[in-house]
Amino acid sequence: EVQLVESGGGLVQPGGSLRLSCAASGFTFSSYWMHWVRQAPGKGLVWVSRINSDGSSISYADSVKGRFTISRDNAKNTLYLQMNSLRAEDTSLYYCVRERSIVGADLFDFWGQGTLVTVSS
Amino acid sequence: DIQMTQSPSSLSASVGDRVSITCRASQSISRFLNWYQQKPGKAPKLLISAASSLQSGVPSRFSGSGSGTDFTLIISSLQPEDFATYYCQQSYSNYFTFGGGTKVEI
Repeated sequence: EVQLVESGGGLVQPGGSLRLSCAASGFTFSSYWMHWVRQAPGKGLVWVSRINSDGSSISYADSVKGRFTISRDNAKNTLYLQMNSLRAEDTSLYYCVRERSIVGADLFDFWGQGTLVTVSS
Repeated sequence: DIQMTQSPSSLSASVGDRVSITCRASQSISRFLNWYQQKPGKAPKLLISAASSLQSGVPSRFSGSGSGTDFTLIISSLQPEDFATYYCQQSYSNYFTFGGGTKVEI
């Protein structure tokens, strides 16, 4: 059974840092591209970042570029998101998501339950 | 970046109604369009990929259509368990942008 379990969320002051982790199991983690997606309370889904299977290709949303760093450790089956210079508008539930690529489509087939990040003084 | 615009942002419907949700991309995305359903307190669930390909286990009352910039999700006969928020998502570019969501309410 595929499982994605996020951790590392919490309350942090503006300007602070947090590191999110996502422990993956039930599939060959090193074969999949992975993403972080966030959702502010009562708001919609926002794509944050993605990393390819070996970590050599990375993309970020403009809103987090230069502040967030995505990485992965395939030996530990774990995805990370290092978040620096946090702002109030980064307050969200952060989901770890697996991407599956098939002919004609790239889709998000498994989602974790999310970890809540609250940025407030 | 490619912007995705959904309409309406919310709608009220009754069990048995036919519901249509529209998603428009700011540029052509071919058929790289996915639809997700999200219920309160839950992670999103993939319904449709590649504009019209129904995922395994998703009821056949859900269907998707479109290509280029204009896409539609249709629920042919709304069921109680379908009351949720629906999101479109483009996977044409490396920035997998979502639409703003459509909340389907009773």
